[in-house]
Amino acid sequence: NAGVTQTPKFRVLKTGQSMTLLCAQDMNHEYMYWYRQDPGMGLRLIHYSVGEGTTAKGEVPDGYNVSRLKKQNFLLGLESAAPSQTSVYFCASSYPGQGAPSPLHFGNGTRLTVT
Amino acid sequence: QQQVKQSPQSLIVQKGGISIINCAYENTAFDYFPWYQQFPGKGPALLIAIRPDVSEKKEGRFTISFNKSAKQFSLHIMDSQPGDSATYFCAASMGWGAQKLVFGQGTRLTINP
Repeated sequence: NAGVTQTPKFRVLKTGQSMTLLCAQDMNHEYMYWYRQDPGMGLRLIHYSVGEGTTAKGEVPDGYNVSRLKKQNFLLGLESAAPSQTSVYFCASSYPGQGAPSPLHFGNGTRLTVT
Repeated sequence: QQQVKQSPQSLIVQKGGISIINCAYENTAFDYFPWYQQFPGKGPALLIAIRPDVSEKKEGRFTISFNKSAKQFSLHIMDSQPGDSATYFCAASMGWGAQKLVFGQGTRLTINP
């Protein structure tokens, strides 16, 4: 039981390049999320999904696209990377709460540097 | 626009002491307030959480105090240990569906042996 797995762990891009970050969860969770973590700003929600085939915008969606073709996978795409997208990206998943909100289970992050 | 403000940014406490981290929120629609703990190189993990219908929740050495009228909540770590050294994030959300957590800025806690 691996939980939430993110690939790659590290990546360096040049401005204008594109890439896709992959998130996979083996807990059969309905909900999945992408956050970015920047020093002094905590974690900010980029996009999230409430189920296979559905996605929605979070707090900071500009410059990113997502897809959830399979329940266990949530992909985050950068079409044209910018230095402002240098960050640590975290994927998380959760299940529908029963009686209380359920906790988010996070992966170990992808450190992305855009030069 | 930071809806959840956390302080201090960093904190150093002696082993056995009490660590206190404070958060304030703006949106009165928030109804779930978790604290997450993050170790270097790892993702955050849920530590403890509270709903606004109670003023305090305790789990072992960790306690959340909640003041609804002041829109503030805090994390207290009693008998702090070197293994508690980590970054702590408060957060807030509303509803029971997908948890669109709004996080505070984080506090880097160091416990000196």
